[in-house]
Amino acid sequence: SQWGEENLQALSIQEGEDVTMNCSYKTYTTVVQWYRQKSGKGPALIILIRSNEREKRSGRLRATLDTSSQSSSLSITGTLATDTAVYFCATGPNSGTYQRFGTGTKLQVVP
Amino acid sequence: EAAVTQSPRNKVTVTGGNVTLSCRQTNSHNYMYWYRQDTGHGLRLIHYSYGAGNLQIGDVPDGYKATRTTQEDFFLLLELASPSQTSLYFCASSDRTGNTEVFFGKGTRLTVV
Repeated sequence: SQWGEENLQALSIQEGEDVTMNCSYKTYTTVVQWYRQKSGKGPALIILIRSNEREKRSGRLRATLDTSSQSSSLSITGTLATDTAVYFCATGPNSGTYQRFGTGTKLQVVP
Repeated sequence: EAAVTQSPRNKVTVTGGNVTLSCRQTNSHNYMYWYRQDTGHGLRLIHYSYGAGNLQIGDVPDGYKATRTTQEDFFLLLELASPSQTSLYFCASSDRTGNTEVFFGKGTRLTVV
């Protein structure tokens, strides 16, 4: 994928631990979206960070964006077993050009 | 609540067969998308549309046709299915494209034997 990509990773952690997932992209983007896909479901947006923001928080989620290095991260604090899912980043340069999704990070949180 | 409904949810077909996957959205969104999801490749865009009668190619369009008949309905057609098209297919919609939330259906598991 040209835009919005991260290496496919599989992470297994214990419930209660914190975790950070990374996304790097190759071209200009105005937003980075993070999606979560639980087993048997379609992806759903969990947090969106714009290019003029360096950090965005939502509950236990924290997203960062570094436009100079073209990278974003998603952190989850105090993970729960229900956080088990595949997490995707998606980027797009502007409205009118479709977003592209990364390969995803598979997170397993063990109770 | 925004809704994207796909049918069928599971489909098995033979090599060379014809398959049509259906998608309906009730979000009043302009954009609709078809993605395939494969391990190691994430979500890859096949085709998308910004309105009835419009069709745009995505990143992996070969072997697929699509048609947007109405604002609500978007179809993906495999006219000569091949085993390489065995995948999980998602339909999605969004108000704009590029930098807004995309709403996904629950997916269609297609197996070509």
